[in-house]
Amino acid sequence: GENVEQHPSTLSVQEGDSAVIKCTYSDSASNYFPWYKQELGKRPQLIIDIRSNVGEKKDQRIAVTLNKTAKHFSLHITETQPEDSAVYFCAATEGSQGNLIFGKGTKLSVKP
Amino acid sequence: KAGVTQTPRYLIKTRGQQVTLSCSPISGHRSVSWYQQTPGQGLQFLFEYFSETQRNKGNFPGRFSGRQFSNSRSEMNVSTLELGDSALYLCASSRSKGAYEQYFGPGTRLTVT
Repeated sequence: GENVEQHPSTLSVQEGDSAVIKCTYSDSASNYFPWYKQELGKRPQLIIDIRSNVGEKKDQRIAVTLNKTAKHFSLHITETQPEDSAVYFCAATEGSQGNLIFGKGTKLSVKP
Repeated sequence: KAGVTQTPRYLIKTRGQQVTLSCSPISGHRSVSWYQQTPGQGLQFLFEYFSETQRNKGNFPGRFSGRQFSNSRSEMNVSTLELGDSALYLCASSRSKGAYEQYFGPGTRLTVT
């Protein structure tokens, strides 16, 4: 079955710096890759996603890149702010029509 | 549109008991997935329902079961509770089966003593 590895498990940056979180997946048939942000005590919130026919997608300060050949995808956050502090999860579909398999999360801390 | 709702929000049960959790998806969404979230294991997939049928099931024992009703609301049941079942149980709804955006509910915090 699908396996999703996420790195790093913790990341600390200064306000204004960029943050990058990387995930690898094992199932070459995976075709959908969402990213979720979970603040303490709250539900995971979908922040951006990408499909296998696209290499990059941006939404203001957030971008996701996908390398299908290498089977990895990354989340890039620019000009980080303290409110970006949260746990971020990546996920990939099991096969092309399957359920989501999540990485174990990255705890991002943005220091003012 | 109202978001995904889950009831109850908190539950305390003792070992051996059983529990039923409920999830109401976003209006118009027909797929409901359930996840168990624990500090050590992250978000683990339990099962997915679409049109009242279980499409996929994660690697959990048969004590974990679920169902979906004709209005797309879903319930999950855990029988013979164990201490290790203490977790946050999240459901997520999506428009359809497969690779669609999933939106999470607030979760049910289950504590087994």
